[in-house]
Amino acid sequence: QVTLRESGPALVKPTQTLTLTCTFSGFSLSSSGMCVTWIRQPPGKALEWLARIDWDDDKYYSTSLKTRLTISKDTSKNQVVLTMTNMDPVDTATYYCARIRRTVDGSQLSLPFDFWGQGTLVTVSS
Amino acid sequence: QSVLTQPPSVSAAPGQKVTISCSGSSSNIGNSYVYWYQQLPGTAPKLLIYDNNKRPSGIPDRFSGSKSGTSATLAITGLQTGDEADYYCATWDSSLSVGEFGGGTKLTVL
Repeated sequence: QVTLRESGPALVKPTQTLTLTCTFSGFSLSSSGMCVTWIRQPPGKALEWLARIDWDDDKYYSTSLKTRLTISKDTSKNQVVLTMTNMDPVDTATYYCARIRRTVDGSQLSLPFDFWGQGTLVTVSS
Repeated sequence: QSVLTQPPSVSAAPGQKVTISCSGSSSNIGNSYVYWYQQLPGTAPKLLIYDNNKRPSGIPDRFSGSKSGTSATLAITGLQTGDEADYYCATWDSSLSVGEFGGGTKLTVL
């Protein structure tokens, strides 16, 4: 079965760089159509999409955060890493990774987040 | 401020029907599939509806989705107390390179 698990520091200081790892099983990120994405949720607030990496190493970023984000994959380890630079207290949130199984339905591309990790809370504070 | 607009809250009695709207534009909903996610208290979101109106395996047919133009709707019939959750609509921008979420709707089953 498909599982994903986020890991990383629970606490980071302002201006530091956050590195989060998504370790997954049940699928391969080298298989055509497979993608992994990152989403975050500040306490009590809405979900915010951050980034996505596809099986062919195409990468996509949130327009507002693209200068601070880098996503990469290690297919042999079944891991996806997200780094976010210059952390600020407003970046305090639960960070989720999720799988996308990209399919084509006629002329439309389907990109649902079909499996999610449990999330990891990152607090930014000095 | 979320790109997709949802009502902050909706409520209805057990057994009743409720609908949650999601409004976007031609640069997102108008040209992409809509997805709905359910987030029960203290848990990670779960895929509820994909490709506008399809249900993943295990999702009861009490949940249904529809899309018209630049808006989408999630309908829940036969409401149960266990349906109390936050519901988020999502889509991709027209280039399919940027994901977008609604602000979420809190469902209360009175």
